[in-house]
Amino acid sequence: QVTLKESGPVLVTPTETLTLTCTVSGFSLSNAAMGVSWIRQPPGKALEWLAHIFSNDEKSHNTSLRTRLTISKDTSNRQVVLTMTNMDSVDTATYFCARILLNSVFDIWGQGTVVTVSS
Amino acid sequence: QSALTQPASVSESPGQSITISCTGTSSDVGSYNLVSWYQQHPGKAPKLMIYEVSKRPSGVSNRFSGSKSGNTASLTISGLQAEDEADYYCCSYAGSGTYVFGTGTKVTVL
Repeated sequence: QVTLKESGPVLVTPTETLTLTCTVSGFSLSNAAMGVSWIRQPPGKALEWLAHIFSNDEKSHNTSLRTRLTISKDTSNRQVVLTMTNMDSVDTATYFCARILLNSVFDIWGQGTVVTVSS
Repeated sequence: QSALTQPASVSESPGQSITISCTGTSSDVGSYNLVSWYQQHPGKAPKLMIYEVSKRPSGVSNRFSGSKSGNTASLTISGLQAEDEADYYCCSYAGSGTYVFGTGTKVTVL
């Protein structure tokens, strides 16, 4: 069974750096046919794609947030890490990680983790 | 990367059909047959319903279908059921390894 689980801080102070971890099971991060994406959803608003990483370390980032985002993976520990710098209240959201396939499909999603940015 | 445009809400009675549009540009929806649709119930993670414009994953009801014409993709739900009441989001590949989601549509079953 394929599962993904997000973990990280619930509360972040403005200007801080957010670090989120996605731990996967049921598939390998070395599988060339798939990768992991991060997607967020502010309260009551739409989904927003943030970044993804594939087995060959190919990465892509949301153009608008590129300077703030870093994505990396630890294949042996089955983890994908997203960091976002200079957090602001507008970054308050539920952050999801999802498996992405080569045909651009987010087929399996984690439950999401809520991050609030506040002083 | 502007969000794809969807109607904010659609309502219909049980048993009827609805169609949700998803309008992008020639740089995303119009250029790639890589449009997917996701269903999201309140407080839950999104669920894949349609991929590559019109393909259904195993386990998804055949009441859900997808299509595309030009820069606009569409999701049709036929034989509307109470359980279909949810938010629906389209998503398109936008080139250079990037993706863009739609603004979301709230479906209400009257």
